[in-house]
Amino acid sequence: AQSVTQLGSHVSVSEGALVLLRCNYSSSVPPYLFWYVQYPNQGLQLLLKYTTGATLVKGINGFEAEFKKSETSFHLTKPSAHMSDAAEYFCAVRTDPRGNLIFGKGTKLSVKP
Amino acid sequence: KAGVTQTPRYLIKTRGQQVTLSCSPISGHRSVSWYQQTPGQGLQFLFEYFSETQRNKGNFPGRFSGRQFSNSRSEMNVSTLELGDSALYLCASSLGVGAGQPQHFGDGTRLSIL
Repeated sequence: AQSVTQLGSHVSVSEGALVLLRCNYSSSVPPYLFWYVQYPNQGLQLLLKYTTGATLVKGINGFEAEFKKSETSFHLTKPSAHMSDAAEYFCAVRTDPRGNLIFGKGTKLSVKP
Repeated sequence: KAGVTQTPRYLIKTRGQQVTLSCSPISGHRSVSWYQQTPGQGLQFLFEYFSETQRNKGNFPGRFSGRQFSNSRSEMNVSTLELGDSALYLCASSLGVGAGQPQHFGDGTRLSIL
């Protein structure tokens, strides 16, 4: 069975600092991996996805993530945090068309001025 | 291009009532999925529809049902509402049903049960 673990329900960084949000997945087959962001009172917005090919994936708003099969990880990073990045971030995995998207519990990112 | 539209945005009901939520997918998208989001359980998959057929169903009681119309619009219904059904219900659409197809979410319907 697939599962997603996001380490740290809350992460706080200073404006301009590196953002690192951790995601580990469990899957017996090659996964498709996604990162979504949710702002208050809104739905989820796709940041980036990994399907096949290049393991370093670039997304919107300066975010990127690297698929590491050996570590079963798909951590999200951004070199320099901005106040507007404060939101909740969700990592998700899906392995086959008949399966559904499995989400992690989410990580709330706070950005201090 | 218009995004996924969910109506209504907010809804207040009482225990025992039933409710219908609506979702209009992005134009051209034929797959619609529904999720329940609560602080305790996080995001949980309800069901997925493609071409008016339910393809997949999550682990929810039969009080939760859905359907999809020929224009890909979808509705979900919850009967005999319970306090625990209070949640944000999110609809997502995608072009097709491939596992790598990204899902695009609406802003949700926040359902409160009194």
